[in-house]
Formats: sequence, C-alpha cells, structure tokens
Amino acid sequence: LAKTTQPISMDSYEGQEVNITCSHNNIATNDYITWYQQFPSQGPRFIIQGYKTKVTNEVASLFIPADRKSSTLSLPRVSLSDTAVYYCLVGVSYSGAGSYQLTFGKGTKLSVIP
Amino acid sequence: DTGVSQNPRHKITKRGQNVTFRCDPISEHNRLYWYRQTLGQGPEFLTYFQNEAQLEKSRLLSDRFSAERPKGSFSTLEIQRTEQGDSAMYLCASSERQGGMNTEAFFGQGTRLTVV
Repeated sequence: LAKTTQPISMDSYEGQEVNITCSHNNIATNDYITWYQQFPSQGPRFIIQGYKTKVTNEVASLFIPADRKSSTLSLPRVSLSDTAVYYCLVGVSYSGAGSYQLTFGKGTKLSVIP
Repeated sequence: DTGVSQNPRHKITKRGQNVTFRCDPISEHNRLYWYRQTLGQGPEFLTYFQNEAQLEKSRLLSDRFSAERPKGSFSTLEIQRTEQGDSAMYLCASSERQGGMNTEAFFGQGTRLTVV
C-alpha cells in the first residue's frame, strides 16, 4: 500500500477555507484516495474519495492533479466543529475485489480557532 | 440508531484478566472489521470478516486475541491474559459489498480498554 505524508497539524480561523495536502508518491494505478475525519473518542468518519481531477460533496472537495502523487482536501468555511484529525488513505476503492482494509497514518490535527 | 454499535464503551481490567468486546454492525453490511488505536496514532487493522468467515488477520493479532462472527451478524473480540500494552481504543467498522462494489467503512465509537 502506498505510503502517505501529510502535515502533523494545522490551525485555521473560523470561516476560512482549509486545504490539507497529502503526498503519495508511490500511488498505484488502481489506487483511490480516501479521506476520513476523526473526533476525539469517536471512530473515523468517511469524508470523500476520489481517483483523479476533482470530487465534491456536501462536506468537502478533493483535488487530485494529473500525476496523482498528491491530493488536497478542501474544507470550505470551517467552523469550530471541524476541529478533528483528518486522515489521507491510499489504496482502497469501491470496486476492489479484496477487503476494505484501511491503512491510516498519523493524520493531520486541524484546530479551528474562534 | 442504525449505526455501528460497540459495547462496552469503556473497560478497565487488571493485567492477566480476559476481556470480550462486542460489535453490532449496520444490519445489511456483510463485511466487519476490527481496528486498534493508541493515543496519537491512526487506527491499525486487526482483522476482517465477510459474513461469518474471517478472511484476513493482521500480524498484530497475537494468539491472545480471537475474533468471531458466528452468524454473520454481530462480532466479538476477546483478549486473553491482558497486558498493559493492550490498552487502546478498539474500533469496529462495517461495510457492504454488493455487485462487486464496496460501500465506505462506517465505524463505531469504539471500546476504550485500560489494563492496570
């Protein structure tokens, strides 16, 4: 499974857009990029998944350049409730024949400041 | 509530005792996973079931750990002869596989184990 590198922590003020970039230089052709969010004392929660270009849902956007060696999770107008750890994962896909084994790194701890 | 349910939420046990955790997945999900998470780290995969069959086990799952999913619904994770190093959050997740496609994994709130 491809290794991912992301910042350990980030701070942002309320109302700002937050972009968290993840590097995955060894991403394989069939790998998807998935982001999870985790609040203290809770299990991770799926945010978004993509393969290339841009994916947007009601929570976030995911930007993936053509070489797919990195990806950026964009959270629009963050609020205090977005304070959490965000994990970038590579290697799982909706159509994979195997298990949905997720390999988490240490994630990025986002702190939203009033 | 139709999410993944884990019990108990907290467990304190003395070293050497056995503990058992229960996970009730989302009802239509045929895949169930156990993860372990220590402070400051991301969750680590332990094992995976498809229906009642245990298909993958991590090398992290020592012989003191055993997981079952007897009827393809709820699952239990047992730790025998607990050690202080077993102190962690134990997370259960479930997903559905239909027509060759997976849904994303949905996690429970976890069971926090403290071994004293």
